[in-house]
Amino acid sequence: QVHLVESGGGVVQPGGSLRLSCAASGFTFSNYGMHWVRRAPGKGLEWVAVKFYDGSRQYYADSVKGRFTISRDNSKNTLDLQMNSLRAEDTAVYYCARDQRSTYFDLWGQGTLVTVSS
Amino acid sequence: EIVLTQSPGTLSLSPGERATLSCRASQSVSSSYLAWYQQKPGQAPRLLIYGASSRATGIPDRFSGSGSGTDFTLTISRLEPEDSAVYSCQQYGGSPLYTFGQGTKLEIK
Repeated sequence: QVHLVESGGGVVQPGGSLRLSCAASGFTFSNYGMHWVRRAPGKGLEWVAVKFYDGSRQYYADSVKGRFTISRDNSKNTLDLQMNSLRAEDTAVYYCARDQRSTYFDLWGQGTLVTVSS
Repeated sequence: EIVLTQSPGTLSLSPGERATLSCRASQSVSSSYLAWYQQKPGQAPRLLIYGASSRATGIPDRFSGSGSGTDFTLTISRLEPEDSAVYSCQQYGGSPLYTFGQGTKLEIK
């Protein structure tokens, strides 16, 4: 069965760092681009970043550019998100999601909660 | 940036009725690049519709998508209690690469 499982969320102070991970199973991870998407409390979904299937390219939302870094290890079937200089507005549930045709997301994890608060 | 505006914000209907959810884009979106998702509390989002009108694997035919240009619609016929959820539209293209609507909350009375 195909699965994505996120981990690494928690409470962090403004200006702090956190590293999220997403473990994939049940499909050939190296064939798919992978994304991070987040939902802040009471808000809509917001795309955060994408890493191409082979790790060759990545793109970020302007709101996280220069602060977040997306990476992947195709030998371990994992996707990571290194988050630095965290702000209160980064508080959200973070989901990893599988890319389909570079246009939509056909598989999602359950999410991990990140709370940025002093 | 392409902004997606969904309406209504909340929709309250009875089992067996039909729900019509709207997603309006601030500029034209290719039909190939419009998708709909369902999310229930505490659960992962689930892909319902891609390419504006194609149902994802395992999605019942009660769910249908339509539209083009700037106006897209998700229709759920014969509502069931388990259809209670937040429904979001999403488009690909421009900057940022992907944007979502703010969501429509569907309540089944």
